[in-house]
Amino acid sequence: GAVVSQHPSRVICKSGTSVKIECRSLDFQATTMFWYRQFPKQSLMLMATSNEGSKATYEQGVEKDKFLINHASLTLSTLTVTSAHPEDSSFYICSARGGLADIPGELFFGEGSRLTVL
Amino acid sequence: AQSVAQPEDQVNVAEGNPLTVKCTYSVSGNPYLFWYVQYPNRGLQFLLKYITGDNLVKGSYGFEAEFNKSQTSFHLKKPSALVSDSALYFCAVREGGFKTIFGAGTRLFVKA
Repeated sequence: GAVVSQHPSRVICKSGTSVKIECRSLDFQATTMFWYRQFPKQSLMLMATSNEGSKATYEQGVEKDKFLINHASLTLSTLTVTSAHPEDSSFYICSARGGLADIPGELFFGEGSRLTVL
Repeated sequence: AQSVAQPEDQVNVAEGNPLTVKCTYSVSGNPYLFWYVQYPNRGLQFLLKYITGDNLVKGSYGFEAEFNKSQTSFHLKKPSALVSDSALYFCAVREGGFKTIFGAGTRLFVKA
């Protein structure tokens, strides 16, 4: 199957700093990427949907100024957590679809990034 | 609105026994249904999907799922569980635009 790479896998930062998480589709062009947030022992919560070259569509309740999403190319989307606070600590997962790997409905997931804000 | 429910937080089964992880859904049209597995601190791995066709879908690692339209269910099954199957399992339904809605997840424990 298609490979989605997420980096970094773990990051620890101080409160007030910004953190960038990258999501790359390694062997296909991802026309659409999705960012999820997962709290401990809970399901995935969709944060936003990003299409290459256009602004991300955020889910209700997600602060777009705090969680900046950029999908500048067909293989890269980034999530920047700005002015991070301890309550932003979570497991962030990206997924992608598109290109030759585009099987109807099938999503390919990154390995996730665990953010800890001190 | 589309939704998916996993009624069990946890399923315990002995190794070698059959396992079932339950999932029910609610959609307005024809459903696209999926099962994913997640190991600790990892992303989700695709197991299988139902789009159309045969109601019994076979997937990775010996898992299968049966689409039941009348009961709006898509239960995940495996004839003989392995300890290595212990993980968190998510049922999901896709709505328009590839927005995927996930169930709450069911933790499977397979005891040796």
